[in-house]
Amino acid sequence: ETGVTQTPRHLVMGMTNKKSLKCEQHLGHNAMYWYKQSAKKPLELMFVYSLEERVENNSVPSRFSPECPNSSHLFLHLHTLQPEDSALYLCASSHRTSGRTNTGELFFGEGSRLTVL
Amino acid sequence: QKEVEQNSGPLSVPEGAIASLNCTYSDRGSQSFFWYRQYSGKSPELIMSIYSNGDKEDGRFTAQLNKASQYVSLLIRDSQPSDSATYLCAVRGTGGFKTIFGAGTRLFVKA
Repeated sequence: ETGVTQTPRHLVMGMTNKKSLKCEQHLGHNAMYWYKQSAKKPLELMFVYSLEERVENNSVPSRFSPECPNSSHLFLHLHTLQPEDSALYLCASSHRTSGRTNTGELFFGEGSRLTVL
Repeated sequence: QKEVEQNSGPLSVPEGAIASLNCTYSDRGSQSFFWYRQYSGKSPELIMSIYSNGDKEDGRFTAQLNKASQYVSLLIRDSQPSDSATYLCAVRGTGGFKTIFGAGTRLFVKA
């Protein structure tokens, strides 16, 4: 496996379900991100983890819960979602150079297409 | 005011022509600038990074940055049908991890 891998690629869930999205990076990076991409809208940053510490949390509803057990894995736990949460969820990684500095170059996974019924 | 603005297009150019994509940003303290390409149904792919004023060339791609005007552009020379995609401009401020994306410009290259 190389690059950034996301599973599942497609997910359909009801509003009362609980599901999780998984991301794994094989690039040796130490920062990982969740972005949301909705039609006709810019990518929205949801969460950032650097060395397993959450460093950005962009006012995301609590029905989205991230988890970063180590620098290679990132999860997004989903519960009681709304139809407007249907979107493409993209995981990305980047290399942190020092302190709070990183290259800023993002490497994306293929995304998880989520549909909430 | 949107933080990163791009013309949504579509921009249509004939094969072999130069495609010019433009982007403006609002945060004057921004330090890092990126162009990503996103094919339909795929995820964004980094194609250019630029950090200082001027031009940066990589193959058929040239990124141009003017911090005084808060303007960044991407030129694609000898455009090919395979260049047809949405191009996303992204901007990052000083330090931190927050990268702001524009909504993207759709480019069509006609054979």
